[in-house]
Amino acid sequence: DGGITQSPKYLFRKEGQNVTLSCEQNLNHDAMYWYRQDPGQGLRLIYYSQIVNDFQKGDIAEGYSVSREKKESFPLTVTSAQKNPTAFYLCASSRGVEQFFGPGTRLTVL
Amino acid sequence: DQQVKQNSPSLSVQEGRISILNCDYTNSMFDYFLWYKKYPAEGPTFLISISSIKDKNEDGRFTVFLNKSAKHLSLHIVPSQPGDSAVYFCAAWDRGSTLGRLYFGRGTQLTVWP
Repeated sequence: DGGITQSPKYLFRKEGQNVTLSCEQNLNHDAMYWYRQDPGQGLRLIYYSQIVNDFQKGDIAEGYSVSREKKESFPLTVTSAQKNPTAFYLCASSRGVEQFFGPGTRLTVL
Repeated sequence: DQQVKQNSPSLSVQEGRISILNCDYTNSMFDYFLWYKKYPAEGPTFLISISSIKDKNEDGRFTVFLNKSAKHLSLHIVPSQPGDSAVYFCAAWDRGSTLGRLYFGRGTQLTVWP
């Protein structure tokens, strides 16, 4: 089955710790994206990558970092510099315009 | 600054009636539009799209209308069903841009009651 996986579904971390969220796709898509969803804020773009070894900042990149070493993988690190890290994080991939989303990771920072 | 706006955060409709969700955009370079549906704690799923060369696209109970002069699009669901209750996101794409990204609205929570 082709698709996008995000793990884990729920993640808890203490304030001040960095945490890395996993995103893997086997759709052979070149482009991958990270979004954050907060109540009433919709989907806000954090980072995206159109090709391996290249990525661009989205609208809210501060406090986050990414890497794109493999076509299939686009991990997101939430650093201690992110002021409000508790949110629902969504990863997506695309070959063209339509983006396919993973099931999301709910991060709670205590 | 929001380039795609969904000004109604919520909509409540009776089962069997029509649901109309609206979306406005400010960037005249947008030439492709998509609607996504999202259930709580899940990723959004693609619903329907429309190119700027068309003014209507239909898929079963779902129809999207585009008014380019008004920079406005709408999603019609007829008849509405309780399973349609979800958050609906409008998204826009500039195919001439090298940025390669979608611009999303903030979403409209649709509730369909029996």
